Amino acid sequence: DAGVIQSPRHEVTEMGQEVTLRCKPISGHNSLFWYRQTMMRGLELLIYFNNNVPIDDSGMPEDRFSAKMPNASFSTLKIQPSEPRDSAVYFCASSPYEGAHEQYFGPGTRLTVT
Amino acid sequence: QQQVKQSPQSLIVQKGGISIINCAYENTAFDYFPWYQQFPGKGPALLIAIRPDVSEKKEGRFTISFNKSAKQFSLHIMDSQPGDSATYFCAARKPYGGSQGNLIFGKGTKLSVKP
Repeated sequence: DAGVIQSPRHEVTEMGQEVTLRCKPISGHNSLFWYRQTMMRGLELLIYFNNNVPIDDSGMPEDRFSAKMPNASFSTLKIQPSEPRDSAVYFCASSPYEGAHEQYFGPGTRLTVT
Repeated sequence: QQQVKQSPQSLIVQKGGISIINCAYENTAFDYFPWYQQFPGKGPALLIAIRPDVSEKKEGRFTISFNKSAKQFSLHIMDSQPGDSATYFCAARKPYGGSQGNLIFGKGTKLSVKP
């Protein structure tokens, strides 16, 4: 199994630009999570989906952030417009079913907004 | 009440020594306590986990000690090796409810094992 796949691995963009991060969960997994990691705040859950439906988006920082999961094998996290304070590593994780004990993380996307 | 507090922020241990990382929580409804290990440039990966009805779990050189009354749990790495150098996160899982399955992570401990 290829594991959770994220793209791009690195993204550098200017303030005000739209950024789209992509994730392919492990095949057969029904739950998908988006996290943000910074030195100051650690790992924060932004949003999670179960069976392609957003269940909890209370961690999404503001309206500039949006996430979609159009099918079981693909999800996007979009930031529009981006700001320097959005600079972080964004992780996608998946798990076999809602409430499963283990989450499998992707390698992350390092976003730098200048 | 949803936080998980982790300490220390960083830890330096000599090869062969014991590494100890501590976590504390408030919400007694948390029902699962995993530890994740993260190497530079990689995503976190599950290392070991424990349920609150168990006081200790050991897997190889890694042991979780769980104190339910104190609402604390810790990771012990015996015979620490340079290859153990990584960032370690404790976590707690929210109970079933509106956000079942969500993990609340501590802020991480960067472990360096010196040869």
